[in-house]
Amino acid sequence: KAGVTQTPRYLIKTRGQQVTLSCSPISGHRSVSWYQQTPGQGLQFLFEYFSETQRNKGNFPGRFSGRQFSNSRSEMNVSTLELGDSALYLCASSLGQGAPRPTYEQYFGPGTRLTVT
Amino acid sequence: QKEVEQDPGPLSVPEGAIVSLNCTYSNSAFQYFMWYRQYSRKGPELLMYTYSSGNKEDGRFTAQVDKSSKYISLFIRDSQPSDSATYLCALLGGRGGSYIPTFGRGTSLIVHP
Repeated sequence: KAGVTQTPRYLIKTRGQQVTLSCSPISGHRSVSWYQQTPGQGLQFLFEYFSETQRNKGNFPGRFSGRQFSNSRSEMNVSTLELGDSALYLCASSLGQGAPRPTYEQYFGPGTRLTVT
Repeated sequence: QKEVEQDPGPLSVPEGAIVSLNCTYSNSAFQYFMWYRQYSRKGPELLMYTYSSGNKEDGRFTAQVDKSSKYISLFIRDSQPSDSATYLCALLGGRGGSYIPTFGRGTSLIVHP
C-alpha cells in the first residue's frame, strides 16, 4: 500500500507571497492532519480534515488554511508569507473514525520543506 | 512551562546499550501516549501507542507510563546504529478530551558502532 505523499518536497518563496502544499493520504484514510515542524517550536498541529470538513484547528493565524477534497486529498495554503513560516510542513493521514476512542494511528508523509526569504 | 518537556539531547550511546528516552508533562488529563521515531529528512513514524498507565512491550521497545508522576519513558534494548534518529513523544486527551496531539520537541539519539 502506498504511503502518504506530499508535493512539492522543497519550496522557496519570498515574503508576501502565498503557497499551496498538497497531500495525498493512504488509500482508505479519511482524516488528514497538517503540522508545522521547526527547530524552535517542534511539531505543532495546524488543522485536521475529515470527510471534507475541518474537524480540529490549532493555534495558527488565519493566513493558514486548508481544504480536503472528496477523494480525501488535502491542500494547505499559507498567504502573505513571513520569514517565520519557514518550516517543514508535514501531513499525516489516519482512518479517522475518531470518537469516542481515538484510533490515532497517524501515518506521516515526508514533508514539504518551505523556505521563505 | 510547556505542556510536554523532552530533553533534545543529543544522546550518544554505544551499540548494544539500553537507551532510556523520557518526557514529562504537566496536564493530568492526558490519557493517550505515543512515541514516534523520525529519521533525518523523513516524517515521523509511530512506534508505540499506550493508553493510561502501565507498560507495553514490542520487540526491543518498551513504553512505560507513570501518570502519578506525569512521566513517560521509551526503552530501547540492544540498541543498533539503525536506531539513530529523533524520538518524539506525543500525548492526547489533554485539552478537555481533545484528540489534538501535543508533541515533545524530540530527543536526538545517536548509536555508534
